[in-house]
Amino acid sequence: QSVLTQPPSASGTPGQRVTISCSGSSSNIGSNYVFWYQQLPGTAPKLLIYRNNQRPSGVPDRFSGSKSGTSASLAISGLRSEDEADYYCAAWDDSLSGPVFGTGTKVTVL
Amino acid sequence: QVQLVQSGSELKKPGASVKVSCKASGYTFSNNEMNWVRQAPGQGLEWMGWINTNTGNPTYAQGFTGRFVFSVDTSVSTAYLQISSLKAEDTAVYYCARGWGGRTAAGFYPWGQGTLVTVSS
Repeated sequence: QSVLTQPPSASGTPGQRVTISCSGSSSNIGSNYVFWYQQLPGTAPKLLIYRNNQRPSGVPDRFSGSKSGTSASLAISGLRSEDEADYYCAAWDDSLSGPVFGTGTKVTVL
Repeated sequence: QVQLVQSGSELKKPGASVKVSCKASGYTFSNNEMNWVRQAPGQGLEWMGWINTNTGNPTYAQGFTGRFVFSVDTSVSTAYLQISSLKAEDTAVYYCARGWGGRTAAGFYPWGQGTLVTVSS
């Protein structure tokens, strides 16, 4: 059972900007860093954003993360066909003493 | 480069056991904890727990106690997940993922390619 809530789907046409929300609580997003993962079809998840808004080497700057209070967002600008994937947020939860994942959002490029 | 390579797919009967391996390369194995994450068919990601690769001490998430055992063999830089008394609901892809970004962080980098465990009679 996921503790972080995401919309099940999001979509856009090539070149558009898509935003995915991630809603949590004071024990997770409210007091810890948020991470984002991209899971392309049939592959393992890949780290996309760390510590709320940092991109690992090799991740295009079209991807950006932000956090405010107990919510976080992932934005994809200049949407491309290869961005079609499932996206998950994650954060440490102090009450559970472990990391928790979001419910996941499937991004479709129309 | 830092890499985790997991063992291949498994088909098991209910009640049997399975052991999944995760071999690390490209970094000092004992410097980072190893996490295990489950993904049931068509479902999201679920953190199963982690193991301290230096001491071998495991921590299991709620719902993953009893039948699930994490272990390591530092001589071959490999972590293991063993599941006993398999049930149909254990059918899933199991990922290992190196802990990254701090002990109390949800950082996992990199991930293994995943091991599909299918439980069916």
